[in-house]
Amino acid sequence: GAGVSQSPSNKVTEKGKDVELRCDPISGHTALYWYRQSLGQGLEFLIYFQGNSAPDKSGLPSDRFSAERTGGSVSTLTIQRTQQEDSAVYLCASSIIRGNQPQHFGDGTRLSIL
Amino acid sequence: ILNVEQSPQSLHVQEGDSTNFTCSFPSSNFYALHWYRWETAKSPEALFVMTLNGDEKKKGRISATLNTKEGYSYLYIKGSQPEDSATYLCASTQGGSEKLVFGKGTKLTVNP
Repeated sequence: GAGVSQSPSNKVTEKGKDVELRCDPISGHTALYWYRQSLGQGLEFLIYFQGNSAPDKSGLPSDRFSAERTGGSVSTLTIQRTQQEDSAVYLCASSIIRGNQPQHFGDGTRLSIL
Repeated sequence: ILNVEQSPQSLHVQEGDSTNFTCSFPSSNFYALHWYRWETAKSPEALFVMTLNGDEKKKGRISATLNTKEGYSYLYIKGSQPEDSATYLCASTQGGSEKLVFGKGTKLTVNP
């Protein structure tokens, strides 16, 4: 079956521009997560959606970052007024919420801010 | 704040060697421990999810153990093969939350 799909796979943009990253989770997965890996760092949690509950936004690094999940499926992570420190690989994952299930990751979006 | 630490940072072994890595995590409010394998240019692949103290899980030549009282997990690879070359990530969840806190990973290179 289809896995987690992310687009674009690569994005190069100028500092100050807005970017949108898209994630299409596995069908039937109620939980969706965004992480990022900056150079030399581990994977860092950003935001988590679970069904109709309010998202856990505790990992978003600044108010320039926002995310939404429409219709319980596709999610978009938006970064406004990008800065060079936003350069990273952004990974999306989805899972079934039924007690400690593994998360299934997409291939990621490599974002480079010039 | 939940800190997950992994050691070593990197490891080079010869084909056929057996090896192991360590993941340590705070034991208070522990919920689950995940192991993932991340090969270059691919997405992280789930290996194990463990929750109970003393849990042992096995998948082919790879196995893992969990000690929640002292806050550590070991990942073992028996008879390493070049295709095992990857970064191995562990991540912990705490207090009933599903969000993963990752260590920085152990990068394994298996030389033929």
